[in-house]
Amino acid sequence: DAKTTQPPSMDCAEGRAANLPCNHSTISGNEYVYWYRQIHSQGPQYIIHGLKNNETNEMASLIITEDRKSSTLILPHATLRDTAVYYCIVSLSNSKLTFGKGITLSVRP
Amino acid sequence: DADVTQTPRNRITKTGKRIMLECSQTKGHDRMYWYRQDPGLGLQLIYYSFDVKDINKGEISDGYSVSRQAQAKFSLSLESAIPNQTALYFCATSDAWTVDTQYFGPGTRLTVL
Repeated sequence: DAKTTQPPSMDCAEGRAANLPCNHSTISGNEYVYWYRQIHSQGPQYIIHGLKNNETNEMASLIITEDRKSSTLILPHATLRDTAVYYCIVSLSNSKLTFGKGITLSVRP
Repeated sequence: DADVTQTPRNRITKTGKRIMLECSQTKGHDRMYWYRQDPGLGLQLIYYSFDVKDINKGEISDGYSVSRQAQAKFSLSLESAIPNQTALYFCATSDAWTVDTQYFGPGTRLTVL
């Protein structure tokens, strides 16, 4: 599986968009980009995934660059409850997921 | 009711004791996983099972064993617990027929003294 690189932490103001970057320069053509989050010692929660096209669901949007070497998770209106560790994972479909250290997002009032 | 449950939620034990952590799911998924998480780190895969007859080692299987008693149940055992197995343990499930979206249980906090 391709390795991902995320900054260790970032913060944003409540109500503003949170843009979480992820680099995956060695991604292969059939590997997906997944995002999960973990709120303080709870079980990780699936957010979104994508292959090539941008994706949006009720939680977030995923923007994948045309060369697929990086992506951005967008939380359009961050709330205090979005404070969590966010994991960017690259993996083949129906394969094991490898969780790195993720990025800690702090949403400030 | 939660789709993925883990018992116990917290456990304190002593070095050398045998410990079993249990996971049950009502999602009807074929695939189940056990992870451990140490403070400040990501999750590491211990074992995974793609169906009842299939058991596979993950990144850090030494010192652990598993049993897949049924589609819905996957147990993790520490045959002789040691202090560096103190960690947060998560069970997860996924559906073999979709892109691998995993659903996690609430975790078991294990302390080995």
